[in-house]
Amino acid sequence: DAGVIQSPRHEVTEMGQEVTLRCKPISGHDYLFWYRQTMMRGLELLIYFNNNVPIDDSGMPEDRFSAKMPNASFSTLKIQPSEPRDSAVYFCASRRTSGSSGEQFFGPGTRLTVL
Amino acid sequence: AQSVTQPDIHITVSEGASLELRCNYSYGATPYLFWYVQSPGQGLQLLLKYFSGDTLVQGIKGFEAEFKRSQSSFNLRKPSVHWSDAAEYFCAVGAGGAAGNKLTFGGGTRVLVKP
Repeated sequence: DAGVIQSPRHEVTEMGQEVTLRCKPISGHDYLFWYRQTMMRGLELLIYFNNNVPIDDSGMPEDRFSAKMPNASFSTLKIQPSEPRDSAVYFCASRRTSGSSGEQFFGPGTRLTVL
Repeated sequence: AQSVTQPDIHITVSEGASLELRCNYSYGATPYLFWYVQSPGQGLQLLLKYFSGDTLVQGIKGFEAEFKRSQSSFNLRKPSVHWSDAAEYFCAVGAGGAAGNKLTFGGGTRVLVKP
């Protein structure tokens, strides 16, 4: 299995630009999670989906952030417009329910720098 | 709401020495507890987890952790560290849904291994 795939691995953009981060979960996994990691706030859960439906988006910082999961194999996290304080590493993780031990499998992350 | 505290931000240990990382959690019900490891530039990998049953759990890479309800702790241990154990370690508590979908992470402990 290829694991959770995220793209791009690094993104550098200018303030005000739109940024789209992409995630492909592990095949057969029905939960998908987006996290953000910063020095100041550590690892924070932003939003998670079950069977492509958003379940809890209480961690999404503000309206500039949006996430979609159009199908079981793809999700996006969009920031529009981006700000320097959005600079962080964004992780996607997935897990399956059936027979699951609850483990979330993490992707390698996307390091976002907003200038 | 649940929370996790990792009191030690940095720990330096000599290769071959034992290692113990502290984790204290706050959660109103029976917790689902996890330890993840993050190597530089990488995503998070699960070391071990506790859901119920035996309070001493074994994980990968020779790690173990002990759940102590009376102390609200889930400390991670390894009898003899290897240089490859240098990484950042995160304790997490799960809440909500099957086997803890919503993870709350501690701030992490960075482990340095001296030769």
